[in-house]
Amino acid sequence: GAVVSQHPSRVICKSGTSVKIECRSLDFQATTMFWYRQFPKQSLMLMATSNEGSKATYEQGVEKDKFLINHASLTLSTLTVTSAHPEDSSFYICSANGPGSYNEQFFGPGTRLTVL
Amino acid sequence: LAKTTQPISMDSYEGQEVNITCSHNNIATNDYITWYQQFPSQGPRFIIQGYKTKVTNEVASLFIPADRKSSTLSLPRVSLSDTAVYYCLVGAPGDKLIFGSGTRLLVRP
Repeated sequence: GAVVSQHPSRVICKSGTSVKIECRSLDFQATTMFWYRQFPKQSLMLMATSNEGSKATYEQGVEKDKFLINHASLTLSTLTVTSAHPEDSSFYICSANGPGSYNEQFFGPGTRLTVL
Repeated sequence: LAKTTQPISMDSYEGQEVNITCSHNNIATNDYITWYQQFPSQGPRFIIQGYKTKVTNEVASLFIPADRKSSTLSLPRVSLSDTAVYYCLVGAPGDKLIFGSGTRLLVRP
């Protein structure tokens, strides 16, 4: 089946620094990827839709200048958390629409971000 | 707002059949119904998808009535490893997915 990877799986950083998270579709091309954030014991919250070659579409309440998304190729989307603060600590998950007939979304394993 | 409503939690025992029902009263003509499973600190994993009637694969069955305003995920003979959160989502192929609260299933020995 379609595989989506994320890197890093876990990152710890100091407050004020920027962190980049990569999302890759390993065996298929993805023109659209999605970024989610999940706090402990809560559901996934969609942050933005990442479109290859164009600007991302952000959900209401998500700061586009803080969460920079780049989808430069058909297999890679990146999320950069700029000037991270402790409240940005969360589990970040990406997904991509798979190549199958159902077009279901395949999710990455997630990235645990801890901001000290 | 999520398009679906599910029970917050369910308990079961090993070997039992578990049925999780999801309400989606405002489902659109182009929407499919998809169920995902999520373990702690992992991304969701696709379980099954359907449009109408019944769909079965190697891990689950999905029952959808004619009006499509609800659906039921059926897990046959659950094991401890089926303890997870199960999400029901509706949307057209390629659409963004809005997650609801999901159902926390606890399987006891």
